[in-house]
Amino acid sequence: SQQGEEDPQALSIQEGENATMNCSYKTSINNLQWYRQNSGRGLVHLILIRSNEREKHSGRLRVTLDTSKKSSSLLITASRAADTASYFCATVTQGGSEKLVFGKGTKLTVNP
Amino acid sequence: DSGVTQTPKHLITATGQRVTLRCSPRSGDLSVYWYQQSLDQGLQFLIQYYNGEERAKGNILERFSAQQFPDLHSELNLSSLELGDSALYFCASSVNGESTQYFGPGTRLLVL
Repeated sequence: SQQGEEDPQALSIQEGENATMNCSYKTSINNLQWYRQNSGRGLVHLILIRSNEREKHSGRLRVTLDTSKKSSSLLITASRAADTASYFCATVTQGGSEKLVFGKGTKLTVNP
Repeated sequence: DSGVTQTPKHLITATGQRVTLRCSPRSGDLSVYWYQQSLDQGLQFLIQYYNGEERAKGNILERFSAQQFPDLHSELNLSSLELGDSALYFCASSVNGESTQYFGPGTRLLVL
């Protein structure tokens, strides 16, 4: 079963603009991870945020986590055409197994 | 390159057949996870091994089985294949359950 729900399902922007993707989940978590997948290829890990963290940065990426609302957001600043991909959030449930529970993803298109 | 390797990259087979997918985790990672990605089900956790022992099971069919060997590589066996088993199968590895899971490039299985 899928826990995370990404919003929007698809997003199309121009190069240089910022892209924001949201993720909601249902259970208490240990951590939340964001992944990128280029068309039908492997999943690339972007960032992990733990349940006791509120914000994390990595290069042009900024992730926030609000455990009271069970939601997270991924912001990509100054987007590039190479950022075109699907982005997934995945959670590790607190007290559960160590598996990742994925959302359905946001398909981001960055137009040059 | 995540450091996780999977073979083969592509596999085409017929219904009723049996196939074996292989995964080598990153050096030092004791946990191996298997995931299936299909258009209708999205990314689903199948099974996890930790240092040779099964740790968690997800939506894995009885026709599917896996094991982790003493050198920590893992194999996923799919038998009595059906058309609906066509999917991308990913292996991921991590140091432990609370750390980042790194994904391999996947094996694309097509059952005809």
